[in-house]
Amino acid sequence: DTEVTQTPKHLVMGMTNKKSLKCEQHMGHRAMYWYKQKAKKPPELMFVYSYEKLSINESVPSRFSPECPNSSLLNLHLHALQPEDSALYLCASSQELAPIYEQYFGPGTRLTVT
Amino acid sequence: AQSVTQPDIHITVSEGASLELRCNYSYGATPYLFWYVQSPGQGLQLLLKYFSGDTLVQGIKGFEAEFKRSQSSFNLRKPSVHWSDAAEYFCAVATGTGFQKLVFGTGTRLLVSP
Repeated sequence: DTEVTQTPKHLVMGMTNKKSLKCEQHMGHRAMYWYKQKAKKPPELMFVYSYEKLSINESVPSRFSPECPNSSLLNLHLHALQPEDSALYLCASSQELAPIYEQYFGPGTRLTVT
Repeated sequence: AQSVTQPDIHITVSEGASLELRCNYSYGATPYLFWYVQSPGQGLQLLLKYFSGDTLVQGIKGFEAEFKRSQSSFNLRKPSVHWSDAAEYFCAVATGTGFQKLVFGTGTRLLVSP
């Protein structure tokens, strides 16, 4: 099983809402990633977790709060977002945090902030 | 920092014709290079990667890529395109401390005509 699942598929939220995105993998991978992809743009790395510890934060605004409660699960908590945060949010995982290990991507959550 | 450039925004190829997608990298040493494909509404899938060794790399779905240091290029090729190959193709390079981060090119959208 090489599947990364993401829920929900679509999310519409107001600027005062609090919501969470969820990502799950059961491949035993120890590195998990959040990417943001704006329309017609490439994915941009936001956060990386390795062995459930935050390893990389690409200077993401604090209204995005990642969480890795266990090795299979990755959450992205959203609060007080702006309309420009509307994008496709992709989760990925790899066996370890090193380029030799393939990153497996989920299908993404399409977020619209109104 | 390492980066990749994809000079073609769109390419249209007839079904059955050959394909070459261009990617140029900027890095003094040997980079870690990747090609990913993204179908509409989907996450990304790794087609192939190059770290060192043989400069002609075979990937999935009949794709191959050739690393040319003299031209700073890592072009993706396929001898005969199928309609199902229509998608967005991203070249990427591993960068940062320990080469733990993927930076993607701007992408090339492949259209396949009957």
